[in-house]
Amino acid sequence: DAGVTQSPTHLIKTRGQQVTLRCSPISGHKSVSWYQQVLGQGPQFIFQYYEKEERGRGNFPDRFSARQFPNYSSELNVNALLLGDSALYLCASSLTGFYSPLHFGNGTRLTVT
Amino acid sequence: QKEVEQNSGPLSVPEGAIASLNCTYSDRGSQSFFWYRQYSGKSPELIMFIYSNGDKEDGRFTAQLNKASQYVSLLIRDSQPSDSATYLCAAPFSGTYKYIFGTGTRLKVLA
Repeated sequence: DAGVTQSPTHLIKTRGQQVTLRCSPISGHKSVSWYQQVLGQGPQFIFQYYEKEERGRGNFPDRFSARQFPNYSSELNVNALLLGDSALYLCASSLTGFYSPLHFGNGTRLTVT
Repeated sequence: QKEVEQNSGPLSVPEGAIASLNCTYSDRGSQSFFWYRQYSGKSPELIMFIYSNGDKEDGRFTAQLNKASQYVSLLIRDSQPSDSATYLCAAPFSGTYKYIFGTGTRLKVLA
């Protein structure tokens, strides 16, 4: 079975621009979560979606938004990019998203210049 | 106050030794705990998960959970240079869908 797939793998954007990151979960998984990881830190929770409904949001500004589609794939959007948004963005899928293991994709490395 | 704490390391062990990685957590309501391995520049990979007090073994890996003391540990037996990576401990924050990760412990296995 295919694992979690994310695209693109790398992205370079300029301050003020907008970016969309994409994720396809493991087949059969209905929950998708997004995490941001900066160098030297553990992943920080951004969003979790289950059955197209947002179930949780971390301490990120409203510039961050996401959605989940009927096929359970998901997009993360970040508007008005700041230098501090440079990070590895990780998508994780799980069966339920509640106490079940998260399986991460390879991530999208975003660099904001 | 950090909710999941790990010693950042590096923890250096000789090849063939047992590596012991520790994690403490502040949320007494946490029910499940996960260990991830992350190689430099890569994404986290699930190694083990544990829900009940006691030990859980999988190959060279053993996860230990003590809910009364609020700590989780990961033992790696017969450590290999390929085990050199950062190990992340994670737990869902009780009552939410938010998984809290520690900052990770860097393990170096010396050949």
